[in-house]
Amino acid sequence: QKEVEQDPGPLSVPEGAIVSLNCTYSNSAFQYFMWYRQYSRKGPELLMYTYSSGNKEDGRFTAQVDKSSKYISLFIRDSQPSDSATYLCAMCLGSSNTGKLIFGQGTTLQVKP
Amino acid sequence: DAGVTQSPTHLIKTRGQQVTLRCSPISGHKSVSWYQQVLGQGPQFIFQYYEKEERGRGNFPDRFSARQFPNYSSELNVNALLLGDSALYLCASTLRTVNTEAFFGQGTRLTVV
Repeated sequence: QKEVEQDPGPLSVPEGAIVSLNCTYSNSAFQYFMWYRQYSRKGPELLMYTYSSGNKEDGRFTAQVDKSSKYISLFIRDSQPSDSATYLCAMCLGSSNTGKLIFGQGTTLQVKP
Repeated sequence: DAGVTQSPTHLIKTRGQQVTLRCSPISGHKSVSWYQQVLGQGPQFIFQYYEKEERGRGNFPDRFSARQFPNYSSELNVNALLLGDSALYLCASTLRTVNTEAFFGQGTRLTVV
């Protein structure tokens, strides 16, 4: 079993839809949770990071962490064709001496005009 | 300010050869991490360096090695290349060891033939 599970999709939605992307994890020691966006043939771009449980909002993006369920989500409101990309969740322990990130497989999102 | 820069962007090598990849972190960032991303998968952690010292190593064979220089730039070396080493190699730059805000370069796409 992988430490971080993410449905690879692909996920196809019409422009303007609300998108929900999710990851589950097995290691209860993870403290920091991130979402990255990766366009084809580019490096990942950090969208948001959250410490421990709770919600965080940034523009059209909202990240949620539920540590009791070991479940994190990213919501995209009013999705745009430019949001079409692969979305990667990532986690790290935070308290150790190394900042190793554990990534999910990535979910491919296509927003159709 | 310049972001994380990696060189070269693409290269093709033959099985058994050796390759060196280079990374310059964001100015002021002292930690560099290397990741391997195989097509369709999330990035896998290879190494982290902070202040020229190795702070973490992933589950990769000894053919993989790295170092960090006094100016915080880094090199990743891979010896005795295998076809399975074909991947996008990503460098991430952070201010400190704990990668809550890791910024990635555009990657080096390595093809082994």
